[in-house]
Amino acid sequence: DIQMTQSPSSLSVSLGDNVTFTCEASENIYGFLAWYQQKLGKAPKLLIYGATNLEDGVPTRFSGSGSWTNYSLTISSLEPEDIATYYCQNNHVYPLTFGSGTKLEIK
Amino acid sequence: EVQLVESGGGLVQPGRSMKLSCAASGFTFSNYGMAWVRQAPTKGLEWVATISYDGSSTYYRDSVKGRFTISRDNAKSTLYLQMNSLRSEDTATYYCTRAPRDWGQGVMVTVSS
Repeated sequence: DIQMTQSPSSLSVSLGDNVTFTCEASENIYGFLAWYQQKLGKAPKLLIYGATNLEDGVPTRFSGSGSWTNYSLTISSLEPEDIATYYCQNNHVYPLTFGSGTKLEIK
Repeated sequence: EVQLVESGGGLVQPGRSMKLSCAASGFTFSNYGMAWVRQAPTKGLEWVATISYDGSSTYYRDSVKGRFTISRDNAKSTLYLQMNSLRSEDTATYYCTRAPRDWGQGVMVTVSS
């Protein structure tokens, strides 16, 4: 199985900060990587697919990058509504593994 | 507008069975693969199973193989998850998803005596 390692597990941030999360796959997933945002008690929301493609309706302050085994999600100028947990997911091969998530908290 | 509405959850004893349903609308259900993803209380997301658009191919995580069966009825635009021999570690909110972008609101399954 492909392991997806997300770091950090939690991050204490201030509004207006630029924030970057990382996700490392245990083998090449050829850019088949999705990023999700999940708020407490809600279903996940797709932010980025194919490692770099912004989902329709998602603010442009979100961006994704990476290839092979190393991927990142960046939020430019954090807004209050961005406080959530963020997950990456391997969409290349079964089982479709998720990272363990990065939880954003306000300083 | 795409809608995915799960039902069938609740409290079940270990070793018993439960069947989840997901009613889909707002898209041509028979054109898309579908999946179930679960999330144990205070834990992360865990992919459970996927079924192809026509039901001919199915995929499962190892921990549910032989116990869970994903299926679909394209005439009814409905996805199912039959869960047998349930264990306490199956306790979770189960999401129906037309991956990666459309998700249901989730249904809670609690396995406890």
